[in-house]
Amino acid sequence: ETGVTQTPRHLVMGMTNKKSLKCEQHLGHNAMYWYKQSAKKPLELMFVYNFKEQTENNSVPSRFSPECPNSSHLFLHLHTLQPEDSALYLCASSQEGRGAGNTIYFGEGSWLTVV
Amino acid sequence: AQSVTQLGSHVSVSEGALVLLRCNYSSSVPPYLFWYVQYPNQGLQLLLKYTTGATLVKGINGFEAEFKKSETSFHLTKPSAHMSDAAEYFCAVRVNNNDMRFGAGTRLTVKP
Repeated sequence: ETGVTQTPRHLVMGMTNKKSLKCEQHLGHNAMYWYKQSAKKPLELMFVYNFKEQTENNSVPSRFSPECPNSSHLFLHLHTLQPEDSALYLCASSQEGRGAGNTIYFGEGSWLTVV
Repeated sequence: AQSVTQLGSHVSVSEGALVLLRCNYSSSVPPYLFWYVQYPNQGLQLLLKYTTGATLVKGINGFEAEFKKSETSFHLTKPSAHMSDAAEYFCAVRVNNNDMRFGAGTRLTVKP
């Protein structure tokens, strides 16, 4: 059991569908992240939120839309995705502040298949 | 900009043999270094990390890593591999808030 919970664990969607991935962290952290993990590629940072404010968007296509209503919850809204968007999407959280040695804690991921 | 390079995308060892997974980093400032493990169908779990102080860091499941500034390395070792160690291992470097850079990963296979 981790302090970062992701739902659903598996999602199959058509290219015209709209779906959302949900993440909740129970660690009292002030930062949350979305990462994309594809086969044979390094982990890609997609979005970063600090105190509910988006502080980083790594050139992610607009068909991915994040939402952070509070420091414990993070969503990734998906619409008109492409087959190449099929991947494992990992949510993570950390406590940011002085220094940069803080650990980033990951959820178990949401497997997304776009058909 | 900081980055990490993991040498070898696949490493295979026999059960009971030494595990050595290599990681070299590039950073213009003192780095914070991490090793994560990912078991099949799971997220990343922290194995160990180096921030300051002792350069030999001990982690979970009998793993340890040594920070060698002169070699810009942070290799992960375990004296005796167990079948349950089969997983993907990621080295990561961090110098700023919110900015953690991951290596491409090394898949460890343990043969009976």
